Amino acid sequence: AQKVTQAQTEISVVEKEDVTLDCVYETRDTTYYLFWYKQPPSGELVFLIRRNSFDEQNEISGRYSWNFQKSTSSFNFTITASQVVDSAVYFCALRGAGNNRKLIWGLGTSLAVNP
Amino acid sequence: EAQVTQNPRYLITVTGKKLTVTCSQNMNHEYMSWYRQDPGLGLRQIYYSMNVEVTDKGDVPEGYKVSRKEKRNFPLILESPSPNQTSLYFCASSLSGLARDNEQFFGPGTRLTVL
Repeated sequence: AQKVTQAQTEISVVEKEDVTLDCVYETRDTTYYLFWYKQPPSGELVFLIRRNSFDEQNEISGRYSWNFQKSTSSFNFTITASQVVDSAVYFCALRGAGNNRKLIWGLGTSLAVNP
Repeated sequence: EAQVTQNPRYLITVTGKKLTVTCSQNMNHEYMSWYRQDPGLGLRQIYYSMNVEVTDKGDVPEGYKVSRKEKRNFPLILESPSPNQTSLYFCASSLSGLARDNEQFFGPGTRLTVL
Protein backbone atom coordinates (compact mmCIF):
# COMPACT_ATOMS: atom_id res chain seq x y z
CA ALA A 1 0.00 0.00 0.00
CA GLN A 2 1.09 3.54 -0.63
CA LYS A 3 1.19 6.04 2.19
CA VAL A 4 2.51 9.50 2.93
CA THR A 5 3.19 10.65 6.47
CA GLN A 6 3.69 14.23 7.51
CA ALA A 7 4.34 13.88 11.21
CA GLN A 8 4.30 17.60 11.94
CA THR A 9 0.72 18.77 12.17
CA GLU A 10 1.50 22.38 12.99
CA ILE A 11 4.68 24.41 13.07
CA SER A 12 5.04 27.97 14.28
CA VAL A 13 8.16 30.03 13.60
CA VAL A 14 9.22 33.63 13.73
CA GLU A 15 9.95 35.42 10.50
CA LYS A 16 13.45 34.83 9.10
CA GLU A 17 13.81 31.48 10.81
CA ASP A 18 14.57 28.43 8.70
CA VAL A 19 12.00 25.66 8.86
CA THR A 20 11.96 22.08 7.60
CA LEU A 21 8.79 20.18 6.84
CA ASP A 22 9.15 16.42 6.97
CA CYS A 23 7.64 13.91 4.57
CA VAL A 24 8.03 10.15 4.74
CA TYR A 25 6.50 7.90 2.14
CA GLU A 26 5.81 4.20 1.60
CA THR A 27 5.48 2.51 -1.76
CA ARG A 28 6.34 -0.77 -3.42
CA ASP A 29 6.64 0.82 -6.84
CA THR A 30 10.15 1.13 -8.19
CA THR A 31 9.10 4.16 -10.20
CA TYR A 32 7.15 6.83 -8.42
CA TYR A 33 6.79 10.57 -8.16
CA LEU A 34 6.77 12.88 -5.19
CA PHE A 35 5.19 16.29 -4.99
CA TRP A 36 4.86 19.23 -2.65
CA TYR A 37 1.86 21.54 -2.78
CA LYS A 38 1.08 24.69 -0.85
CA GLN A 39 -2.43 25.59 0.24
CA PRO A 40 -2.66 29.20 1.39
CA PRO A 41 -5.63 30.44 3.44
CA SER A 42 -7.48 31.22 0.20
CA GLY A 43 -7.74 27.47 -0.36
CA GLU A 44 -6.24 26.78 -3.76
CA LEU A 45 -3.52 24.18 -4.25
CA VAL A 46 -0.26 25.58 -5.53
CA PHE A 47 2.23 23.19 -7.10
CA LEU A 48 5.76 23.59 -5.72
CA ILE A 49 7.86 20.70 -6.96
CA ARG A 50 7.83 17.26 -8.53
CA ARG A 51 10.61 14.71 -8.05
CA ASN A 52 11.04 11.37 -9.83
CA SER A 53 12.19 8.32 -7.91
CA PHE A 54 15.21 7.86 -10.14
CA ASP A 55 16.47 11.39 -9.57
CA GLU A 56 17.81 11.89 -6.06
CA GLN A 57 19.38 15.22 -6.78
CA ASN A 58 18.35 17.84 -4.29
CA GLU A 59 16.77 20.98 -5.61
CA ILE A 60 16.83 24.61 -4.63
CA SER A 61 14.44 27.26 -5.82
CA GLY A 62 15.04 30.60 -4.20
CA ARG A 63 14.33 30.21 -0.48
CA TYR A 64 12.90 26.73 -1.01
CA SER A 65 14.92 23.54 -1.07
CA TRP A 66 14.07 19.88 -1.12
CA ASN A 67 16.04 16.91 0.17
CA PHE A 68 15.07 13.58 -1.38
CA GLN A 69 16.57 10.47 0.23
CA LYS A 70 15.42 7.09 -1.06
CA SER A 71 17.36 5.27 1.66
CA THR A 72 15.08 6.75 4.30
CA SER A 73 12.02 7.21 2.05
CA SER A 74 11.95 10.89 2.85
CA PHE A 75 11.33 14.02 0.83
CA ASN A 76 11.80 16.95 3.17
CA PHE A 77 11.12 20.58 2.36
CA THR A 78 13.08 23.48 3.82
CA ILE A 79 12.16 27.14 3.73
CA THR A 80 15.08 29.42 4.41
CA ALA A 81 14.53 32.82 5.97
CA SER A 82 10.80 32.27 6.27
CA GLN A 83 8.35 35.09 5.57
CA VAL A 84 4.81 35.75 6.71
CA VAL A 85 3.60 34.97 3.18
CA ASP A 86 4.88 31.43 3.63
CA SER A 87 2.10 30.79 6.14
CA ALA A 88 0.01 28.00 4.63
CA VAL A 89 -0.67 24.31 4.80
CA TYR A 90 1.91 22.28 2.94
CA PHE A 91 1.13 18.89 1.49
CA CYS A 92 3.45 16.15 0.40
CA ALA A 93 2.01 13.70 -2.14
CA LEU A 94 3.03 10.48 -3.86
CA ARG A 95 2.01 9.03 -7.19
CA GLY A 96 2.84 5.55 -8.41
CA ALA A 97 3.53 4.40 -11.92
CA GLY A 98 0.04 3.12 -12.65
CA ASN A 99 -2.32 4.58 -15.20
CA ASN A 100 -4.44 6.28 -12.57
CA ARG A 101 -2.56 9.39 -11.76
CA LYS A 102 -4.07 9.42 -8.30
CA LEU A 103 -2.07 11.35 -5.76
CA ILE A 104 -1.73 9.88 -2.29
CA TRP A 105 -1.61 12.82 0.08
CA GLY A 106 -0.16 13.38 3.48
CA LEU A 107 -2.40 15.16 5.96
CA GLY A 108 -0.44 18.36 5.62
CA THR A 109 1.65 20.56 7.88
CA SER A 110 0.20 23.90 8.86
CA LEU A 111 2.97 26.47 8.95
CA ALA A 112 2.49 29.76 10.74
CA VAL A 113 5.18 32.36 10.23
CA ASN A 114 4.81 35.14 12.77
CA PRO A 115 6.23 38.64 12.34
CA GLU B 1 -3.94 31.18 -19.84
CA ALA B 2 -3.72 27.47 -19.06
CA GLN B 3 -6.14 26.70 -16.29
CA VAL B 4 -8.70 24.45 -14.67
CA THR B 5 -11.93 26.17 -13.77
CA GLN B 6 -14.61 25.02 -11.38
CA ASN B 7 -18.10 26.34 -10.80
CA PRO B 8 -19.56 27.23 -8.48
CA ARG B 9 -16.79 28.19 -6.07
CA TYR B 10 -19.16 28.16 -3.11
CA LEU B 11 -22.47 26.40 -2.72
CA ILE B 12 -24.86 25.91 0.15
CA THR B 13 -27.67 23.48 -0.55
CA VAL B 14 -30.09 21.18 1.20
CA THR B 15 -30.21 17.44 1.53
CA GLY B 16 -31.56 15.67 -1.52
CA LYS B 17 -31.39 18.53 -3.99
CA LYS B 18 -29.43 17.37 -7.02
CA LEU B 19 -26.43 19.48 -7.95
CA THR B 20 -23.60 19.52 -10.44
CA VAL B 21 -20.15 20.99 -9.97
CA THR B 22 -18.57 21.76 -13.31
CA CYS B 23 -14.91 21.38 -14.16
CA SER B 24 -13.31 22.53 -17.37
CA GLN B 25 -9.70 22.62 -18.57
CA ASN B 26 -8.25 24.37 -21.60
CA MET B 27 -4.99 22.40 -21.88
CA ASN B 28 -6.26 19.47 -23.98
CA HIS B 29 -5.46 17.10 -21.10
CA GLU B 30 -6.58 13.49 -21.35
CA TYR B 31 -6.62 12.79 -17.62
CA MET B 32 -9.02 14.44 -15.18
CA SER B 33 -9.85 13.68 -11.59
CA TRP B 34 -11.97 14.79 -8.64
CA TYR B 35 -10.78 14.95 -5.04
CA ARG B 36 -12.47 15.92 -1.83
CA GLN B 37 -10.63 17.46 1.09
CA ASP B 38 -11.78 16.93 4.65
CA PRO B 39 -10.12 17.87 7.96
CA GLY B 40 -8.15 14.98 9.38
CA LEU B 41 -8.67 12.90 6.25
CA GLY B 42 -6.71 14.92 3.73
CA LEU B 43 -7.47 14.74 0.04
CA ARG B 44 -9.08 11.64 -1.36
CA GLN B 45 -9.86 10.76 -4.94
CA ILE B 46 -13.53 10.42 -5.88
CA TYR B 47 -13.46 9.59 -9.60
CA TYR B 48 -11.04 9.88 -12.44
CA SER B 49 -11.12 9.77 -16.22
CA MET B 50 -8.35 8.62 -18.50
CA ASN B 51 -10.01 10.09 -21.59
CA VAL B 52 -13.38 10.84 -23.19
CA GLU B 53 -16.01 8.27 -22.20
CA VAL B 54 -13.52 6.51 -19.88
CA THR B 55 -14.20 6.99 -16.19
CA ASP B 56 -13.45 4.95 -13.09
CA LYS B 57 -13.97 5.03 -9.37
CA GLY B 58 -11.42 6.43 -6.99
CA ASP B 59 -11.30 5.78 -3.27
CA VAL B 60 -14.56 7.43 -2.20
CA PRO B 61 -17.04 7.28 -5.12
CA GLU B 62 -20.23 6.60 -3.13
CA GLY B 63 -22.88 9.26 -3.65
CA TYR B 64 -21.20 10.76 -6.71
CA LYS B 65 -21.43 10.41 -10.47
CA VAL B 66 -19.28 11.79 -13.24
CA SER B 67 -19.35 11.96 -17.00
CA ARG B 68 -16.76 12.69 -19.67
CA LYS B 69 -18.54 13.46 -22.89
CA GLU B 70 -15.98 16.01 -24.02
CA LYS B 71 -12.28 16.16 -23.37
CA ARG B 72 -12.36 19.53 -21.64
CA ASN B 73 -15.24 18.92 -19.21
CA PHE B 74 -15.58 16.58 -16.26
CA PRO B 75 -18.64 17.44 -14.16
CA LEU B 76 -19.22 16.00 -10.70
CA ILE B 77 -22.84 15.14 -10.01
CA LEU B 78 -24.42 14.66 -6.61
CA GLU B 79 -27.83 13.10 -7.29
CA SER B 80 -29.03 13.31 -3.69
CA PRO B 81 -26.55 15.24 -1.58
CA SER B 82 -26.23 14.47 2.11
CA PRO B 83 -24.53 16.39 4.92
CA ASN B 84 -21.54 14.01 4.88
CA GLN B 85 -20.73 15.35 1.42
CA THR B 86 -20.01 18.76 2.88
CA SER B 87 -16.43 19.25 1.81
CA LEU B 88 -13.93 21.15 -0.31
CA TYR B 89 -13.79 19.69 -3.80
CA PHE B 90 -10.92 19.92 -6.26
CA CYS B 91 -10.81 19.05 -9.92
CA ALA B 92 -7.44 18.21 -11.47
CA SER B 93 -6.13 17.47 -14.94
CA SER B 94 -2.92 16.32 -16.54
CA LEU B 95 -1.51 14.90 -19.72
CA SER B 96 -1.48 11.15 -20.12
CA GLY B 97 0.89 9.18 -22.23
CA LEU B 98 4.40 7.97 -21.68
CA ALA B 99 5.52 10.96 -19.64
CA ARG B 100 3.96 9.71 -16.45
CA ASP B 101 5.39 12.38 -14.25
CA ASN B 102 3.28 15.13 -15.74
CA GLU B 103 2.16 17.72 -13.28
CA GLN B 104 -1.44 17.76 -12.21
CA PHE B 105 -3.14 21.13 -12.51
CA PHE B 106 -5.77 21.86 -9.90
CA GLY B 107 -8.86 23.99 -10.07
CA PRO B 108 -9.50 26.64 -7.40
CA GLY B 109 -11.79 24.40 -5.37
CA THR B 110 -15.51 24.31 -4.65
CA ARG B 111 -16.64 24.64 -1.08
CA LEU B 112 -19.91 22.72 -0.71
CA THR B 113 -22.16 22.77 2.34
CA VAL B 114 -25.11 20.41 2.50
CA LEU B 115 -27.63 21.27 5.22
